Amino acid sequence: GNSVTQMEGPVTLSEEAFLTINCTYTATGYPSLFWYVQYPGEGLQLLLKATKADDKGSNKGFEATYRKETTSFHLEKGSVQVSDSAVYFCALSGAGGGADGLTFGKGTHLIIQP
Amino acid sequence: GAGVSQSPRYKVAKRGQDVALRCDPISGHVSLFWYQQALGQGPEFLTYFQNEAQLDKSGLPSDRFFAERPEGSVSTLKIQRTQQEDSAVYLCASGSQGYYEQYFGPGTRLTVT
Repeated sequence: GNSVTQMEGPVTLSEEAFLTINCTYTATGYPSLFWYVQYPGEGLQLLLKATKADDKGSNKGFEATYRKETTSFHLEKGSVQVSDSAVYFCALSGAGGGADGLTFGKGTHLIIQP
Repeated sequence: GAGVSQSPRYKVAKRGQDVALRCDPISGHVSLFWYQQALGQGPEFLTYFQNEAQLDKSGLPSDRFFAERPEGSVSTLKIQRTQQEDSAVYLCASGSQGYYEQYFGPGTRLTVT
């Protein structure tokens, strides 16, 4: 079956540091890949997505590239801010057109210190 | 416009009680999903509707869990004879047909005592 593995947290960084959160997946076929973010006290929000190999998703300074050869979708940001403190979830969708449920990783709690 | 709403936001139930959790999706969204999120874990898929049809219920953990969406809009997740292991946040998400994005509600936190 499908599965997503992401790095354990919490990850603590200083403001303006470079961020990488690793995510690897196991899936049959050609999944779509997502990063969701959950800010304190709020619901899950889609941060970015990539629907085919070599696609790069980007939003709010975050980027992730769909690497089929390494089955990875690592999240990166060049300079983090305190406001980026949140829990980040890597997820995949196995079917096209959004017609199935997402498989999530366990989440990575990111803490940015001023 | 309005996002996905869920009610109640918090529910405390005694073990053995039945509970009903409501989800109001974004107007016009064809797809509706339910997830269960245990403390410190990622959400886990429970079931999926396209309009009023329940196309996938493979994630429902037992026959005590039942979901419906009779008119293709509002959905209810019902848990019968609640157990302590049912304590979790229950998330609802909706989406447009043919699009990958799922829009999540704030969740209902269920505590079974």
